Amino acid sequence: EADIYQTPRYLVIGTGKKITLECSQTMGHDKMYWYQQDPGMELHLIHYSYGVNSTEKGDLSSESTVSRIRTEHFPLTLESARPSHTSQYLCASSATGTTKNIQYFGAGTRLSVL
Amino acid sequence: SQQGEEDPQALSIQEGENATMNCSYKTSINNLQWYRQNSGRGLVHLILIRSNEREKHSGRLRVTLDTSKKSSSLLITASRAADTASYFCATDNQGGKLIFGQGTELSVKP
Repeated sequence: EADIYQTPRYLVIGTGKKITLECSQTMGHDKMYWYQQDPGMELHLIHYSYGVNSTEKGDLSSESTVSRIRTEHFPLTLESARPSHTSQYLCASSATGTTKNIQYFGAGTRLSVL
Repeated sequence: SQQGEEDPQALSIQEGENATMNCSYKTSINNLQWYRQNSGRGLVHLILIRSNEREKHSGRLRVTLDTSKKSSSLLITASRAADTASYFCATDNQGGKLIFGQGTELSVKP
């Protein structure tokens, strides 16, 4: 099991609410990622970070934002949730200083916006 | 569009049989990786094959890579019910990001 944790595991909220999905890792990895995945579908990269105070948008446009104030913590925020945000959100991390770029994933947050 | 395409999209076999999944990609790569995802969970790394390798083994897993055809295959031998999951290939093209395929959903019936 990888040492990367996501909370909450499940979240059901109403439209317009602000939410923050938490992701923490204890492996000291510099690189962290957020993916969005609909059931049975491929992963889409929505945000990534290569270190503290570094964040970039991924390949899939997302209304969410991220921050990276500490190496171990990479939270994702939705200012005003909508039904179209209903999906599974996966956080991952990988180490620098290696050519392998193996990613370690959290268990995911399944978000449902009513 | 996504780099990787996998086939079949779904595969159903009996315990003890072998399962083969294929992955094709479009650009040059540094390495190709296979991940497993149990229903409702995150992905778990299974095996990595570098661009200068042609075959790799790990337990019941065998991965091949053909860079001339830009394709890879994952073979699971003597499958078990516990192998039931979705399997994704992911390519690393040295950009620091992985690009995942669409996945193959494997069902192994006891």
